[in-house]
This record gives sequence, structure tokens and C-alpha cells, in this order.
Amino acid sequence: DTAVSQTPKYLVTQMGNDKSIKCEQNLGHDTMYWYKQDSKKFLKIMFSYNNKELIINETVPNRFSPKSPDKAHLNLHINSLELGDSAVYFCASSQAGGRGNIQYFGAGTRLSVL
Amino acid sequence: AQSVSQHNHHVILSEAASLELGCNYSYGGTVNLFWYVQYPGQHLQLLLKYFSGDPLVKGIKGFEAEFIKSKFSFNLRKPSVQWSDTAEYFCAAQGQNFVFGPGTRLSVLP
Repeated sequence: DTAVSQTPKYLVTQMGNDKSIKCEQNLGHDTMYWYKQDSKKFLKIMFSYNNKELIINETVPNRFSPKSPDKAHLNLHINSLELGDSAVYFCASSQAGGRGNIQYFGAGTRLSVL
Repeated sequence: AQSVSQHNHHVILSEAASLELGCNYSYGGTVNLFWYVQYPGQHLQLLLKYFSGDPLVKGIKGFEAEFIKSKFSFNLRKPSVQWSDTAEYFCAAQGQNFVFGPGTRLSVLP
């Protein structure tokens, strides 16, 4: 069984559309994250949720809205997609949000905005 | 602000060569350190981690890393690389936040 699963794996869409990426973890972890990896492979954290509550919200356009219906799920909704949103988005989870907790990553969602 | 730097953007080696990838972090407090690997088209996987204790840590696939507190470094090493080690390697530091370095691409030529 996949520990952290993301869907879809690939997403191709037009500018201006709204899309969602789903993430689920079956590790029983309390904390989940969304990262953006750009074309240069640079990884940047976007959001972190602990037990359904937002604890990290980096400088991300408000077109990006995370939603955590329960602690096993953290979905990412993106409104009015722009060309610069093209990237690979990784979901991750850890036991807790503090130090000493290893993050486990999903396989990534490659978003291409045309 | 907390940050992580990696010395090399792209390293090219022949099989059986020795590897050392540099990583430096900036954070004044206690820090946990990680190396993750991302094989082509795949997600990040943990190679090894340092929380405390012996500063020389051993990870999977023959990798090891040494934490040198005075140098704020956590370099990754492998005595003999294989073609299958071709991947992107990310150093990460967990202090107040979890921060990744920019990554080093390793290409191993057969």
C-alpha cells in the first residue's frame, strides 16, 4: 500500500481554469504538507497542516487554497491557473510538525498549464 | 533566516568513483539534518538523517554523512558510486522550519 498517495499524477489544463490535487496518507500521521518543485528542482514548502489546522502558510498566492477534511487528507485547490503554476507538487506527511519528525513524500503531481 | 546551501549544482562521475556532496546550513539553534534522494521521475526518499549522537550516520544504499557542527556542514559521501545512483540529492535542515537545499544533480556514467 502506498503510504502517501496523490492524484492525479499528471494534470494538463488551460490558463484560467480551476483544478484540485488530492493527497491521502495512511501512516496515521498528524501533519501534512504541500511543496512546489519548480523546473530547476527547487523545493519550496507551501502549506503545512497539523490535525486539520493550518500551521504554515508561506508566501503563496491566495489562488491556492488547501483543504483538510480530516488529518489523513490534505487537498490543494488552485483557482485561475497561471503559466507560472506549472510545476511538480508534492504532498508529504510526518508524525508531528516539530523537530525530529521525518517527512514521507508522495509521488508528485506534474501540473502543466498551457 | 534558516537556509540550506549545496555546493554543487551538477556532479558527473564515472562508476566506482567516490562521491562527496556538500551541504551547509544556517541556523543558530539545534537542528536535525536529512538527505533525500529523488530518482528520475520519482518522489523524494529519505537516504539518512541526523538527530543527535554519533555525527557519522549511515544510510541506505551505502551512503553516509558526517555532521560537523563547527562548520555547519552535513556532507554526503559514498565510496563507490553506481550508475543507479544517478538522481537529484537534496539536503534538508529542520530547525524552526523544515528547509530544503536547492539540490545537486548526480550523473553517473557507466
